[in-house]
Amino acid sequence: AQSVSQHNHHVILSEAASLELGCNYSYGGTVNLFWYVQYPGQHLQLLLKYFSGDPLVKGIKGFEAEFIKSKFSFNLRKPSVQWSDTAEYFCAVNRRRYTGTASKLTFGTGTRLQVTL
Amino acid sequence: NAGVTQTPKFRILKIGQSMTLQCAQDMNHNYMYWYRQDPGMGLKLIYYSVGAGITDKGEVPNGYNVSRSTTEDFPLRLELAAPSQTSVYFCASSFQGTSGNTIYFGEGSWLTVV
Repeated sequence: AQSVSQHNHHVILSEAASLELGCNYSYGGTVNLFWYVQYPGQHLQLLLKYFSGDPLVKGIKGFEAEFIKSKFSFNLRKPSVQWSDTAEYFCAVNRRRYTGTASKLTFGTGTRLQVTL
Repeated sequence: NAGVTQTPKFRILKIGQSMTLQCAQDMNHNYMYWYRQDPGMGLKLIYYSVGAGITDKGEVPNGYNVSRSTTEDFPLRLELAAPSQTSVYFCASSFQGTSGNTIYFGEGSWLTVV
């Protein structure tokens, strides 16, 4: 079964600092990769996703992530965080089956980002 | 657009009581899911469904039941509530087409069992 690891559980940054959140997955086959964000008291929203093609994907609100297949990683980055980025961030993966369809999503345990003014 | 709608948003149950969390989606998605979210544990899949009439267990199905009589609805039932089921529950749906899919989440249901 696939698994997802997010090693940073709680990150505190000052506004304008750069952000990188780590995500590693364990599965040797073809995968789809996602980052979801959950703002306080709200539901999960898709930040960005990777299915195929350019391994550097850009999402909403200035976030980007890079898929490095050799490292089984899909780290999330943002050059300059804002106070409004305070939220919990979840990495998720599902397997791409030979038919092109995907299996159910497996989530990491999440990283809580706190941005201070 | 409504997307994925869950009810109720908040509920307090006594041990041993039963209840149903409702979930409906209006995006004609074939796949639907129930997740629970516990602090520091991320999201765990309880049950999922690949289409009307078809359901399957996820990682943590014990203590729950589901049904999928229509494409739109996917209720989650707790038969004998236990304190361990205190959690935030998220319903989600996706269209399982080619080249991957995006899962859309409801706003969550906060359940406390006392």
